[in-house]
Amino acid sequence: LAKTTQPISMDSYEGQEVNITCSHNNIATNDYITWYQQFPSQGPRFIIQGYKTKVTNEVASLFIPADRKSSTLSLPRVSLSDTAVYYCLVGDRNNFNKFYFGSGTKLNVKP
Amino acid sequence: GAVVSQHPSWVICKSGTSVKIECRSLDFQATTMFWYRQFPKQSLMLMATSNEGSKATYEQGVEKDKFLINHASLTLSTLTVTSAHPEDSSFYICSASPGTGGKNIQYFGAGTRLSVL
Repeated sequence: LAKTTQPISMDSYEGQEVNITCSHNNIATNDYITWYQQFPSQGPRFIIQGYKTKVTNEVASLFIPADRKSSTLSLPRVSLSDTAVYYCLVGDRNNFNKFYFGSGTKLNVKP
Repeated sequence: GAVVSQHPSWVICKSGTSVKIECRSLDFQATTMFWYRQFPKQSLMLMATSNEGSKATYEQGVEKDKFLINHASLTLSTLTVTSAHPEDSSFYICSASPGTGGKNIQYFGAGTRLSVL
């Protein structure tokens, strides 16, 4: 299973765009990249999933370069409520592959 | 979106007793569900993969006799912590995937806080 590496923490201010990068050098051909958000004492919440190039939904954008060895989650105009831990995971979308969570990135949004 | 319900959200029990946690997929069927454990300020740790109609697959280091998993239907998996001790106190989270259209997006329950006295 591909291992992921993320910054432990990041600080931002309200209204800014935040980019969180994840490294996954050993990603396999069939692996997709999925990001989750977790608030304290809650289960993780799905944010976005992609395979290559760019994916955008109502919450975030996901940028994946051609070599797919990294990905960047982009959160536009963050607010205080976006303070959470963000996890990047890779796994085979076509199988019920197990997810092994890395350390995640603790995003702290300041007023 | 897909909803996973987990119950109870919080449980306190005495040492030596057993506790059952339920995980239900409310609007989809889930052949496979997963159970995680999370300690304060740490990441989620996968405990086991729960397969409908068959035995669960446990991760290395997880005691299968301590953490009993039953996946009796396509919408329900249960985790029973047997003879709980204070070191079993943790946050337990389940997840499930609709698994349709080639999407392996796991949807998580809200978690269960277990405190063993």
